[in-house]
Amino acid sequence: GNSVTQMEGPVTLSEEAFLTINCTYTATGYPSLFWYVQYPGEGLQLLLKATKADDKGSNKGFEATYRKETTSFHLEKGSVQVSDSAVYFCALIYGGATNKLIFGTGTLLAVQP
Amino acid sequence: EADIYQTPRYLVIGTGKKITLECSQTMGHDKMYWYQQDPGMELHLIHYSYGVNSTEKGDLSSESTVSRIRTEHFPLTLESARPSHTSQYLCASRQGGSYNEQFFGPGTRLTVL
Repeated sequence: GNSVTQMEGPVTLSEEAFLTINCTYTATGYPSLFWYVQYPGEGLQLLLKATKADDKGSNKGFEATYRKETTSFHLEKGSVQVSDSAVYFCALIYGGATNKLIFGTGTLLAVQP
Repeated sequence: EADIYQTPRYLVIGTGKKITLECSQTMGHDKMYWYQQDPGMELHLIHYSYGVNSTEKGDLSSESTVSRIRTEHFPLTLESARPSHTSQYLCASRQGGSYNEQFFGPGTRLTVL
């Protein structure tokens, strides 16, 4: 079936460090891929998305490239800030009758000053 | 800024009480969803709706029920709350189509004593 696997956390980094959160997926067809972020005490909000192979989504210094050959959508940021501390969810949606988002388990990122 | 609202934000209630968690969106989205989020952060889909008078159970079995009488409103009801219902409940909506963003409300933190 369709699924998303992302690296377990927590990920603890110092400010200005490089961030990578791995995400791989299993899906039939050509899903759209998303990264959502959840700040403490809030709901999820879309961080970036990519709708076809080789697309790069970017927002707020974060990037992720849709790699069909490796079925991956890894999240990266060159220099993290304390304010980036949050939970990050990788997700996919595929066409079909159900048309539901499938989420990974979430990765907690803690950035220390 | 997402126009999706949840009330109450926090609720502490005794066992056996009936409760309704409210969710409303002003974006005219046809699809709406309820998720339960456990302390380990993972999201579990418990109900969804593809339009007025359409409701379906999600991937995680839940004793709650939902209704969709109006496009903008998707309340969740627990007839008799129990401590096992203690959790964070997130409502979401999106317009149909694989590329469209899903918007989340801020969540309701429910504690059943």
